[in-house]
Amino acid sequence: GAGVSQSPRYKVAKRGQDVALRCDPISGHVSLFWYQQALGQGPEFLTYFQNEAQLDKSGLPSDRFFAERPEGSVSTLKIQRTQQEDSAVYLCASSSKSGTGSYEQYFGPGTRLTVT
Amino acid sequence: DAKTTQPPSMDCAEGRAANLPCNHSTISGNEYVYWYRQIHSQGPQYIIHGLKNNETNEMASLIITEDRKSSTLILPHATLRDTAVYYCIGDSGNTPLVFGKGTRLSVIA
Repeated sequence: GAGVSQSPRYKVAKRGQDVALRCDPISGHVSLFWYQQALGQGPEFLTYFQNEAQLDKSGLPSDRFFAERPEGSVSTLKIQRTQQEDSAVYLCASSSKSGTGSYEQYFGPGTRLTVT
Repeated sequence: DAKTTQPPSMDCAEGRAANLPCNHSTISGNEYVYWYRQIHSQGPQYIIHGLKNNETNEMASLIITEDRKSSTLILPHATLRDTAVYYCIGDSGNTPLVFGKGTRLSVIA
């Protein structure tokens, strides 16, 4: 069966540009998570959706980061006016269970964002 | 979530058991111990989780001490494909997962 997919896999943006990263979770999974992973570090939580509701956005580093999941399936993470410190791998995960911790999470391959 | 402590790196010979330790001395009674791994250039992969009892699945075994202050993930017959960063996470299900830096396991032929 299909796992979590993310697109694009690689994105290069000039500083100041806006970017949009897409996540297609496993079909039917109610929970969706976004993480940011800097080089050499573990993933860090950004935000959590239960269906279309964004229940936790405590990890978003600034108001330049915005995420949505309007129909409770596909999600988009948008970063406005990108800065060099936004360079990282952005990971999406989904789970069949509710809750921010939520048992097994299934991760996509990530989008590597490089801001030049 | 419980803070966990893991060694930064370990080596293991191919075919031998890999025993990855994790200290979680501040874990509370309702927090599970989760293990994920991340192979280079891939997203993390769930391995196993447990609360009090030892657990085993097709990937690994999880041994949790009786006082729940530490645990060990065991890969019974490590292969080169098991080379990855392994994360031990304490989680109650109500707060986001905190991954930390994990243990970089290198399986050597």
